[in-house]
Amino acid sequence: ILNVEQSPQSLHVQEGDSTNFTCSFPSSNFYALHWYRWETAKSPEALFVMTLNGDEKKKGRISATLNTKEGYSYLYIKGSQPEDSATYLCAPGGNAGGTSYGKLTFGQGTILTVHP
Amino acid sequence: DGGITQSPKYLFRKEGQNVTLSCEQNLNHDAMYWYRQDPGQGLRLIYYSQIVNDFQKGDIAEGYSVSREKKESFPLTVTSAQKNPTAFYLCASSILSGGDAEAFFGQGTRLTVV
Repeated sequence: ILNVEQSPQSLHVQEGDSTNFTCSFPSSNFYALHWYRWETAKSPEALFVMTLNGDEKKKGRISATLNTKEGYSYLYIKGSQPEDSATYLCAPGGNAGGTSYGKLTFGQGTILTVHP
Repeated sequence: DGGITQSPKYLFRKEGQNVTLSCEQNLNHDAMYWYRQDPGQGLRLIYYSQIVNDFQKGDIAEGYSVSREKKESFPLTVTSAQKNPTAFYLCASSILSGGDAEAFFGQGTRLTVV
């Protein structure tokens, strides 16, 4: 089983604070890294899919970076808003060796609560 | 509208009975996945399929079975052999890829064994 660690497990911040979470994954045989946002009573939705070392992606106030050599990714939220409250999931996708072609394995998630 | 549909939303089953959860997609995706979520845990992969008539075990396949007879459909059967079946089940789909394709999720089915 692929070991995917997300930290912290939960986070409470005030509206306007900036915050970040970490996703750690095995760096060997890396293929892709996904970030998803899962709001209560909704389905998870993709934020980013990254494949290149040093990749940095941005969507509004949310951005993510990727380090495939050391096996981690950071997700940043600038100026958190109450609507950012959700569980944020990361998932390494597949592996370069081919034995897990197409497999998407999720971490346990970081639960973010933004207080008004 | 294209999407992925899971039914039912809530399901109750008596201990010892098999139950089948439905997952249908009209996104023309080749790949489909089943995940389970337990309180305080992330999504754990049960089975996934890259193509019709083929599927692979995920990390927690014991006590579950699947079929992929049609591209649009990937039903999951929770058998009586599954020791702790009460959980939230999510189905997802994506285009065929090595693992870099965005996954689209259904709304989930909450299964309770009574």
